[in-house]
This record gives sequence, C-alpha cells and structure tokens, in this order.
Amino acid sequence: AQKVTQAQTEISVVEKEDVTLDCVYETRDTTYYLFWYKQPPSGELVFLIRRNSFDEQNEISGRYSWNFQKSTSSFNFTITASQVVDSAVYFCALSQEGAQKLVFGQGTRLTINP
Amino acid sequence: GAGVSQTPSNKVTEKGKYVELRCDPISGHTALYWYRQSLGQGPEFLIYFQGTGAADDSGLPNDRFFAVRPEGSVSTLKIQRTERGDSAVYLCASSLVGLTGEGYTFGSGTRLTVV
Repeated sequence: AQKVTQAQTEISVVEKEDVTLDCVYETRDTTYYLFWYKQPPSGELVFLIRRNSFDEQNEISGRYSWNFQKSTSSFNFTITASQVVDSAVYFCALSQEGAQKLVFGQGTRLTINP
Repeated sequence: GAGVSQTPSNKVTEKGKYVELRCDPISGHTALYWYRQSLGQGPEFLIYFQGTGAADDSGLPNDRFFAVRPEGSVSTLKIQRTERGDSAVYLCASSLVGLTGEGYTFGSGTRLTVV
C-alpha cells in the first residue's frame, strides 16, 4: 500500500525566512512519481513539481527547491526568502507507474506573516 | 473553457436527499478525475474516466456514489441518500492524456454540506 506522511500540520514563519516542508512516503514499487501541490484559499490545487523515482537530482525553481532522497523515502520542499503570497496549504502526493490516481498526504498549512 | 469548472460551488442538502455535482473539464482533455477532500485532510481519489468509460472506480466509498461522463466531456457525480459524513469538498480534475508531466488541472471544487 502507498502512504504519504506530512508530519507538520501547521507552520508559521515571518516573511523572508526560509522554510522546509517535510514529506515522507511509503511504497513497494520501484517506479513511482512524487508531486507537490499548492492549495491557496481559493481551493484549487496548483501543480508545483513532479519527480520520478529514478531521478534523485535536486530541483530548483526560483525560490522553490526540492530534495528527493530515496534512502530516507523523503521528498522535502524548501521555500527560500518566503513571501506572504506563499501562504497556502501544501500537499505532497505519490502515484504508481501507470496508475492514474494520486495518494495525498494530509497537507501542511503554511502561514507567512509580514 | 480556460480551466476546470465545477458547479455548484456550494451545495447544502438534507440528510437522505439526492445530489448531483457537475464538472466541466478543459476542452480536449480526455482524462477526468474526481477526488473528495474532507476538512483538514488531503484529497482522496474517487474515480477516473478515460473518455466516456470509468477506467478506475476503486475509490468510490459505497454504492450510493456514482459518476457518469456520457459524451466524454462533462461529468456528473451523483450521491444518493446523502449522509452527514458525505460533507466534504468534491474536486474534479482533468488532463490531456492522463497523469503525465504536470499532473492534472484541478477545479475549485464543490463544497457539499449535508445537514
């Protein structure tokens, strides 16, 4: 069975601080995909990144970066120099190769205070 | 349309009633998904359509839940004999060919409240 755990329910930081959101996953598959989504107050889930299990290179996109470590089954997300607009609920998700469904974690509510 | 459209945005119904939730995917997207998100939780998969057929309905919780997509575009999620535990946000998503590079595009959801 697949499972995603986001142990941090809520995080609150002051603007311009760096913040890391943790994601730990469980799967028996050798090929799988990991995702991060952002859910702002409007409710829509916004895609941030997809990573396959064979690509352990870290990814950087502007102020966002992701650290994938198969050895610890983790796929953590860091926001550098956070901004108020980063405030949202962030979800980590997992899918099997060939499957169409995502298994989501419980989400981390991130609040950036001015 | 430009995005995935879900109607209504909010629905309040009495326990035991029947409800229909509508999803209008992005034009040309063949894959359509329904998820349910309870308060404080991540979305949970309900059903996936490829074209008109339900390719995976393993997430439907029981036989009170049913979904259709008769013409391969708009989909309707139908809930019979609603229960208070059905209260949640129902999210629809669509994608061109499936769960590819950018995941799928989600709508804003329908918030269902059963009283």
